[in-house]
Amino acid sequence: AQSVSQHNHHVILSEAASLELGCNYSYGGTVNLFWYVQYPGQHLQLLLKYFSGDPLVKGIKGFEAEFIKSKFSFNLRKPSVQWSDTAEYFCAFTSSNTGKLIFGQGTTLQVKP
Amino acid sequence: GAGVSQTPSNKVTEKGKYVELRCDPISGHTALYWYRQSLGQGPEFLIYFQGTGAADDSGLPNDRFFAVRPEGSVSTLKIQRTERGDSAVYLCASSRELAGGYNEQFFGPGTRLTVL
Repeated sequence: AQSVSQHNHHVILSEAASLELGCNYSYGGTVNLFWYVQYPGQHLQLLLKYFSGDPLVKGIKGFEAEFIKSKFSFNLRKPSVQWSDTAEYFCAFTSSNTGKLIFGQGTTLQVKP
Repeated sequence: GAGVSQTPSNKVTEKGKYVELRCDPISGHTALYWYRQSLGQGPEFLIYFQGTGAADDSGLPNDRFFAVRPEGSVSTLKIQRTERGDSAVYLCASSRELAGGYNEQFFGPGTRLTVL
C-alpha cells in the first residue's frame, strides 16, 4: 500500500537550532515528493517539491530537502529555525500516473523564542 | 489573484442529516481534489476531477459520499445520512492540470464539519 511515515510527531526546538524532519514513503515506482506546511490559522501551502534532477531541493524560507531513492526518504532540513517556523509540516507524494497526494500524519514543530 | 475558496468555513449538523460542501478553485485550474483531515492526521485523499469528470474516486469511504463538478469549475461534496465519524476538516485543492502528478496543488482553508 502507498503510505508516508513521518518519524517525529512533535518536535520542540529553541531558536537557532538545526532542524531535520524525517520522511519515508512506501511505493515501488517513480514518485514526486512534496513538503507542505500549515502555519497556525492558515491553510496548507507548499514548502518545496522534488520531481527529478538534483536530489537536493531548496524551498522557501531557507528549507531544503534531500531525496535519497535507495532509502525511500525525503527528509526536511533547516540549519537555523526561527520562532515563525512554528507550524505543522506534512510530507507527501504523488506517483507518476496519478495526481492524488498521499500524506504523512504530520509533524508539529514548536520553536521556543 | 484569488486562491481556492471553500464554503461554509464551519458546518455543524445532526447525525443523519445531509450536507453539501462547496469548493471554488483557482480560475483556470482544470484539476480539483477533495481531501479529508481528521484531528492529528494528515489529509486523506477522497476524489479528484479532471475537468467535469471524476478521474479517481477511490478515496470516497462509502456510497454516502458523492461529489460533482458539473461545469468543470465549482465542485460540491455531498454527504448523505451523516455520521459522527464524518466529523473532520474537508479540504479542497486545485492545480493547473493533471500531468503525471507534476502538479502543485493549491489548498483552500477547509470546511470544518461537526456531526453531533
